Amino acid sequence: AQTVTQSQPEMSVQEAETVTLSCTYDTSESNYYLFWYKQPPSRQMILVIRQEAYKQQNATENRFSVNFQKAAKSFSLKISDSQLGDTAMYFCALSQGGSEKLVFGKGTKLTVNP
Amino acid sequence: DGGITQSPKYLFRKEGQNVTLSCEQNLNHDAMYWYRQDPGQGLRLIYYSQIVNDFQKGDIAEGYSVSREKKESFPLTVTSAQKNPTAFYLCASSRGRGTSGEQYFGPGTRLTVT
Repeated sequence: AQTVTQSQPEMSVQEAETVTLSCTYDTSESNYYLFWYKQPPSRQMILVIRQEAYKQQNATENRFSVNFQKAAKSFSLKISDSQLGDTAMYFCALSQGGSEKLVFGKGTKLTVNP
Repeated sequence: DGGITQSPKYLFRKEGQNVTLSCEQNLNHDAMYWYRQDPGQGLRLIYYSQIVNDFQKGDIAEGYSVSREKKESFPLTVTSAQKNPTAFYLCASSRGRGTSGEQYFGPGTRLTVT
């Protein structure tokens, strides 16, 4: 069975600093995708970044980047130059290639302080 | 603009009444999903549909029903059999099997049953 674990229920960071959110996963498949979703106070789920397991290069999207360690089954999200608008719940999710479902972690609540 | 709409944003019902939550997408996605989110919790899958006129139970289907008569629409009915229906409900869609599994989310409906 696939599982996704986020071990940090809550984190905080000062504006303009860097923060890293952790995610570990388990799957027996070789073809899969990993995602980070953001849910701000508006509760709209927004895709932050996507990583394809067969790609060794870590994905980046502006201030957001991942550290994908396939052997360790780790997929952490780094947010650089944190902004107040980054305050949100962040969910890590796993999709096996060809599967119809996403498996979500329980989320990390990130607060960016001014 | 392509996207997913959910209506209404807030819904209030008396205990014992059935209520239907709307979800419409114009992304031409094959697959659609319903999730429930309780305060401070992650997402739990209620039902999903890979194709018109077909759907499968998720992890917490008891007390809920769905239909998929059109590709664009996937309404969720919360029945009186659902013991604790007050929650935030999210609808999502994806391109379906054989793709990355990336899901796009609607803005959600907050259901309160008293």
